[in-house]
Amino acid sequence: IVMTQPPATLSVSPGERATLSCRASQSISSNLAWYQQKPGQAPRLLIYGASTRATGIPARFSGSGSGTEFTLSINSLQSEDFAVYYCQQYNNWPLTFGPGTKVDIK
Amino acid sequence: QITLKESGPTLVKPTQTLTLTCFFSGFSLSTSQMGVGWVRQPPGKALEWLALIFWDDDKRYSPSLKSRLTITKDTSKNQVVLKMTNMDPVDSGTYYCAHRRGGSISFYSWGQGTLVTVSS
Repeated sequence: IVMTQPPATLSVSPGERATLSCRASQSISSNLAWYQQKPGQAPRLLIYGASTRATGIPARFSGSGSGTEFTLSINSLQSEDFAVYYCQQYNNWPLTFGPGTKVDIK
Repeated sequence: QITLKESGPTLVKPTQTLTLTCFFSGFSLSTSQMGVGWVRQPPGKALEWLALIFWDDDKRYSPSLKSRLTITKDTSKNQVVLKMTNMDPVDSGTYYCAHRRGGSISFYSWGQGTLVTVSS
């Protein structure tokens, strides 16, 4: 299953809302995870099951979607939220990641 | 608290075999639903899943690399080992091990990663 994440870069002002997109080449039900990765750091799990926040993830992060279209929303962007975000499907083997969306400061 | 840490060579020569060890704590790979996987990331590029081993010794591999990969676990030592044969410069990058805790095949906790360079 091929995952796509348009656009490659999303420019957002601090305090604004960011809406990131992830698309699967075929239906993956709700078997989707979102990760955040900052430079020089390992990825961090944000969301699994398309909409369930991982432990300790702030409520400003929310996920939605099912089938082939998914969205990660980040309300009121904080300085620490500027990073690269990856989606990953686990409906079928092999596990596949999207190419990532970089959220940078507008 | 769950921690994972990768260990292995920073430099390997082309055609050599890479052996990476993931040392973990805070969970047992003998517990139902647990798993440990490997993910790599070439410099400046996206994440790529490599392999995953489950508590029941079920093993899954990326099809594009399956012929070169072997994943094993030592439950008593809390270790998972990944071997990748016939290394090539395109295999250079950061290799992460990560914990799958059940309920979904996503990775809840990650090691810090280890940078591997393939060069003669």
